[in-house]
Amino acid sequence: GQNIDQPTEMTATEGAIVQINCTYQTSGFNGLFWYQQHAGEAPTFLSYNVLDGLEEKGRFSSFLSRSKGYSYLLLKELQMKDSASYLCAVSGSGGYNKLIFGAGTRLAVHP
Amino acid sequence: DTEVTQTPKHLVMGMTNKKSLKCEQHMGHRAMYWYKQKAKKPPELMFVYSYEKLSINESVPSRFSPECPNSSLLNLHLHALQPEDSALYLCASSHVGQPPGYTFGSGTRLTVV
Repeated sequence: GQNIDQPTEMTATEGAIVQINCTYQTSGFNGLFWYQQHAGEAPTFLSYNVLDGLEEKGRFSSFLSRSKGYSYLLLKELQMKDSASYLCAVSGSGGYNKLIFGAGTRLAVHP
Repeated sequence: DTEVTQTPKHLVMGMTNKKSLKCEQHMGHRAMYWYKQKAKKPPELMFVYSYEKLSINESVPSRFSPECPNSSLLNLHLHALQPEDSALYLCASSHVGQPPGYTFGSGTRLTVV
């Protein structure tokens, strides 16, 4: 079976740093993706990790440990517009063309 | 053009109606997808087309019928739906067999009455 776990909700303060964790168990692994989804809108691609380590892209960074089945998304200098759901998705044995999504983490950023 | 366009944005249909959702992209992507998303839930994969051929059907009921008439278009034909089929239907596209990820359309909000 395949299982992707994320915290359901998180809150943080504007200007702070927040880390959203994701653990996964999948049959096969071809990469892990993070998406941002504002309420009522389509998911937008944030990051992709296939090798262990940290990928940095502006205020957002994503980390992967394949041996631990673990990833996190790090958001720095939080802004109010970062309030959204953050979806962890894994490409498993079905290949790149089959992404399985976690339930998502709803992040609320407060002033 | 870096967008996936879905029409209509909103659709209300009765359980005896037949309707179609449309999706279009001009990014040269040869993989296209239909996902269903209920409120506060993750997107669930329904169908994958690769090079205009159906490659994955996630055991979706036959009242949902996908069609890929060419490399830029993807349709989802709906017939005899149930109220529990009300959801946001997302279309996405990507290159075949390559990361990094999908480009999603903004979705069709479907309500079955």
